[in-house]
Amino acid sequence: GENVEQHPSTLSVQEGDSAVIKCTYSDSASNYFPWYKQELGKGPQLIIDIRSNVGEKKDQRIAVTLNKTAKHFSLHITETQPEDSAVYFCAASRDDYKLSFGAGTTVTVRA
Amino acid sequence: GAVVSQHPSWVICKSGTSVKIECRSLDFQATTMFWYRQFPKQSLMLMATSNEGSKATYEQGVEKDKFLINHASLTLSTLTVTSAHPEDSSFYICSAGTDINQPQHFGDGTRLSIL
Repeated sequence: GENVEQHPSTLSVQEGDSAVIKCTYSDSASNYFPWYKQELGKGPQLIIDIRSNVGEKKDQRIAVTLNKTAKHFSLHITETQPEDSAVYFCAASRDDYKLSFGAGTTVTVRA
Repeated sequence: GAVVSQHPSWVICKSGTSVKIECRSLDFQATTMFWYRQFPKQSLMLMATSNEGSKATYEQGVEKDKFLINHASLTLSTLTVTSAHPEDSSFYICSAGTDINQPQHFGDGTRLSIL
């Protein structure tokens, strides 16, 4: 099955700086790559996603890049704010719709 | 739009009892619902996939007789943890989707504590 690795496990950044989280996947047939933000005691919230026919996608301060050849994708958060502090998960899926999640990255934005 | 509601949000019960968790899609019809389990400081692990009107498909290692899933309508799926024991204590999260071209939407989870 699909194996998704996520790094780093923790990330501390100064407010206003950028945060980058990287994921690799094993199944070359995976074609959908969402990113989720999970706050304490809550379910994951989709923040951005990308499909395999696209190399980059941006939504305000958040961007995702995908390198299909290398089988890795990254989340970029610019101008970080304290409310960006949370656990972020990457995931990958094939056409069967099942998501395989990375281990998560705890992001702390220091004021 | 695309709101998924889970109930209850938190439940504490004695060992040996059965607990039912509901997952509802409030403003869309979910052809597929997923159930995940998340232990503290860990990732989400898929337990099973359920399609409306058919039997759930369980992931390897998940006991189907222990975790009963019913997806009787396009807006409701239930997970029943039967004869729950302390090791079943976890955060259970559902998600719902319409088709593979649309993202899944997650509920806010149910924290289950078995004493």
